[in-house]
Order: sequence, then structure tokens, then C-alpha cells
Amino acid sequence: QSVLTQPPSVSGAPGQRVTISCTGSSSNIGAGYDVHWYQQLPGTAPKLLIYGNSNRPSGVPDRFSGSKSGTSASLAITGLQAEDEADYYCQSYDSSLSGQGVFGGGTKLTVL
Amino acid sequence: QVQLVQSGAEVKKPGASVKVSCKASGYTFTSYGISWVRQAPGQGLEWMGWISAYNGNTNYAQKLQGRVTMTTDTSTSTAYMELRSLRSDDTAVYYCAITYYYGSGSDYWGQGTLVTVSS
Repeated sequence: QSVLTQPPSVSGAPGQRVTISCTGSSSNIGAGYDVHWYQQLPGTAPKLLIYGNSNRPSGVPDRFSGSKSGTSASLAITGLQAEDEADYYCQSYDSSLSGQGVFGGGTKLTVL
Repeated sequence: QVQLVQSGAEVKKPGASVKVSCKASGYTFTSYGISWVRQAPGQGLEWMGWISAYNGNTNYAQKLQGRVTMTTDTSTSTAYMELRSLRSDDTAVYYCAITYYYGSGSDYWGQGTLVTVSS
């Protein structure tokens, strides 16, 4: 099992809003470590989507937003588009594992 | 432009070692760190470790401690990841990625290197 828990899959119709949760614990997200989100299209390297809980790198559309509260974080995608269909991963760090990085198990987003 | 170019695919036998390179360009190599992440076929991402290109400090995933070594060569702006005592479950695509400081996200990624461990 992954240290960070994500739903295996989510889906939505074009134009809709979806959210992907990332649940951690008091030794990672709840300890104050930042959460980062990545998008991975099939056969490609991951792409940084959100860093530092809620910041978007330049070039990432504002349809993507991130938030963090307590021991959880969320990624929201509004105005869903066909090209958003991908795998999404959250990442943080964990003090109980000597501060190592940890990823969520990933969420497959299907655009209906 | 910022770019990370990784070495080519490898096929190794169980028990062997592999060393993957990651050549950086387009920025001051010693300003940031490099993370290594791997992805087994059909599986999720696994964090392997991080190295500071400034001073060589490292932090490795606990499960890989003793088998992995990450190094940098500042003269060639290249990072290396060596994994020893390979097992079949080490078969994966290995990625390097620029990680500005320990705890930050990883902004630029290499193209990935497939390492296959098979007898």
C-alpha cells in the first residue's frame, strides 16, 4: 500500500468538475510537508501540475487547482477536457521514513 | 532550454548492477538537486532518492538503502544512479528529475530509462 491514499479512478463528462483526494497522516501531509501533484499521460514522463500545495507552474492552465487541509490534499480540475484523461499522482515527504519522499498510488481520470 | 537526457535502455541479469546517467543542460547544475523516481510496468511512481548537486548530500528511500548510490559529476553536469544486487522486481522505467530543494516538487524530468532484469 502507498503511504498516501488516492482513489484508483475518477471520471467526469467534458466541462464538468472533478476532484482527486490524497489522504495522508500526521507524519507526512499533517506534519506540514508540502504536497505536489503530477499528471502522467501514457508512455510519457510525469509533468508537475501543482507544487507547494496550491501553486501552478507557468504553462499549467488555471483549470487545475490544489488545496491542503489537515492530513489531506485535493486536486480539482474544472472544465474537464478530453486531453485531461491521464494518471494523476500526489507526492509529499514523510518524517517517519527518515524524511523520504512518498507518492500516492495514482488516480486514473477518465473523461466520459 | 532546461533538459535532462538519460542513458539508454539496459538489460541485466539478477544479481548484477546498473548505472543510469542523467545529463543536465540549460541551467546551473549545482544550483538544484536531482531526484530519482522509478515506475514498474503498469504500476505507480516510486520515489528512490534525492541528491544535492551543490554538495552531494543524499537521502535514499529506506527500502533501497544499501543497494542504491546516487552521485553527481559537476564537471559534466551529469547525475548517476547505481542500483546493485538487481532483482526481477527492479524492472522499471527509471526517471531523473530536477528538484530545486529537498521537499520541493520536481519540475523537469528526463525521458526515462527502461531497466529490465531477467535471467
